[in-house]
Amino acid sequence: DAMVIQNPRYQVTQFGKPVTLSCSQTLNHNVMYWYQQKSSQAPKLLFHYYDKDFNNEADTPDNFQSRRPNTSFCFLDIRSPGLGDAAMYLCATSRETTGGDEQFFGPGTRLTVL
Amino acid sequence: GQNIDQPTEMTATEGAIVQINCTYQTSGFNGLFWYQQHAGEAPTFLSYNVLDGLEEKGRFSSFLSRSKGYSYLLLKELQMKDSASYLCAVMDSNYQLIWGAGTKLIIKP
Repeated sequence: DAMVIQNPRYQVTQFGKPVTLSCSQTLNHNVMYWYQQKSSQAPKLLFHYYDKDFNNEADTPDNFQSRRPNTSFCFLDIRSPGLGDAAMYLCATSRETTGGDEQFFGPGTRLTVL
Repeated sequence: GQNIDQPTEMTATEGAIVQINCTYQTSGFNGLFWYQQHAGEAPTFLSYNVLDGLEEKGRFSSFLSRSKGYSYLLLKELQMKDSASYLCAVMDSNYQLIWGAGTKLIIKP
């Protein structure tokens, strides 16, 4: 089945220790997104890629970086995690950024910062 | 600013009907999405409306009124598995998806 996969599902890191979250897709979609979602809040878009074109949201902290080495994979790097970065991180894909193309989500990575 | 409003929480009884409302104020409009999100899981797509009116899909229907900036999701014949959060999201003129915080639906036997 075509899908969006995220690893790991649960990640524990220490304050200030860099962490990388990964996402892969078998849908062959052009667009990949990274969202941060805290409990009972709306997903917050951090950035997205259209193919290899990177689009950073204006309010995404510099602490967050991303890489998309190929169509299938995308990584989220948190350089120095703080306690406020504890959240669910969701990866999503869509064929296009326009119109009615729905976003397909991975199962998420829950990040705990100690 | 851009804003999506949904009730925080609703309770309904198994077998009944529930309507979850969403009002929005965005810079332009290119469609409205409803997603279902079970606790600790990723959102899954339910519906997309870009024209006014009602879209029916099995037990779930979604309605849109662009002039009123208003949508609702109607769930019929509620089942316990429908207990989840329901997120409304609007695509603005820049094709950015603006998300609501979601409505937590609790189904009681």
